Amino acid sequence: LAKTTQPISMDSYEGQEVNITCSHNNIATNDYITWYQQFPSQGPRFIIQGYKTKVTNEVASLFIPADRKSSTLSLPRVSLSDTAVYYCLLLDSSYKLIFGSGTRLLVRP
Amino acid sequence: GAGVSQSPSNKVTEKGKDVELRCDPISGHTALYWYRQRLGQGLEFLIYFQGNSAPDKSGLPSDRFSAERTGESVSTLTIQRTQQEDSAVYLCASSLVAGVGAYNSPLHFGNGTRLTVT
Repeated sequence: LAKTTQPISMDSYEGQEVNITCSHNNIATNDYITWYQQFPSQGPRFIIQGYKTKVTNEVASLFIPADRKSSTLSLPRVSLSDTAVYYCLLLDSSYKLIFGSGTRLLVRP
Repeated sequence: GAGVSQSPSNKVTEKGKDVELRCDPISGHTALYWYRQRLGQGLEFLIYFQGNSAPDKSGLPSDRFSAERTGESVSTLTIQRTQQEDSAVYLCASSLVAGVGAYNSPLHFGNGTRLTVT
């Protein structure tokens, strides 16, 4: 199974843009890049998914370079409520989503 | 609409006792997943159901763990002879479809059952 690598933690301040980069050097042709967010005492929540180039929704943007060996989740103008753990995963045609340890984002006032 | 519901939300049990954890997925979701999350760690995949069948049970940590799903709906995760290392949050998720169709079918998680084995 292809693995992902992301920073263990990041700090930011309210109103800033936060970019979390994930490395997936062994990504397969059919794999999609998927991001989930988890707040304390809750299950993870789907944020965004993409295959290549750029995807944007009401919550975030996902930037994927041409070689697809990395991806960057961009959160515009974060607030305190964006403090959470963010997971980068690869979705393939199998049934498993393998979660790593994620990136703990702390947003300070 | 109703999301994924798990019960109980908290369970404290004595070492050696059996426990049953319940998951009610979103209606119409054919795929159902169980994960385990230890304190401060990521999610550990346990088992997956497509309909009422579990194609792969290899994520279950030992033969003390079992799971079933009936009516393509409710699922129960059973842990027999609980041990202290079983203490964790057990998360259930469902999705509309799995496999190739999962590309357009994100997982919806419940808030988990926090199991404490004393």
